[in-house]
Amino acid sequence: TQLLEQSPQFLSIQEGENLTVYCNSSSVFSSLQWYRQEPGEGPVLLVTVVTGGEVKKLKRLTFQFGDARKDSSLHITAAQPGDTGLYLCAGHNFGNEKLTFGTGTRLTIIP
Amino acid sequence: DVKVTQSSRYLVKRTGEKVFLECVQDMDHENMFWYRQDPGLGLRLIYFSYDVKMKEKGDIPEGYSVSREKKERFSLILESASTNQTSMYLCASSLEGDENTEAFFGQGTRLTVV
Repeated sequence: TQLLEQSPQFLSIQEGENLTVYCNSSSVFSSLQWYRQEPGEGPVLLVTVVTGGEVKKLKRLTFQFGDARKDSSLHITAAQPGDTGLYLCAGHNFGNEKLTFGTGTRLTIIP
Repeated sequence: DVKVTQSSRYLVKRTGEKVFLECVQDMDHENMFWYRQDPGLGLRLIYFSYDVKMKEKGDIPEGYSVSREKKERFSLILESASTNQTSMYLCASSLEGDENTEAFFGQGTRLTVV
């Protein structure tokens, strides 16, 4: 079974600060996705990264896929209370319909 | 909008009861999944189905079974509920496809077994 470890597990910071969340595995993935889950809801897709070294930006969020396609990071600039939620990375392998989810990072932004 | 609907938000069942969790999607997706979510463990795959009447075990299938008689509906069955099955259960669906395939989730069912 492929595993994805996320760090930190919990993160609580002040509004306006920057932060980075990590997603690491010993296995290679064809692509990696990031989801955000708000309380009482299911996860919602934020981005998919496919190419090793790829960087994608979504407003204040920057996602990077590691060169070896084993890890990824999510960087948030000038965090806002609306960024609060559970962030989940998920790895996908070509030809396999299943996603392997990470352990999650619970982010709280304090106004 | 893609919609994945789970039949209950909250359920409380007694140990030993047979429990059915229902999930319906309206986007004609081939793939459907059942996950359980526990703090610090992320989402763990219980079962998935890539077509009607087809199913495959995920990482933690013990104590669970599934049924997919129609393309839009995927049911998770706990034959004899136990307290260690208290958890949040999430259903998802996706198109059969490549590495960009997005999983769409229901709102979750929080099951408590007492």
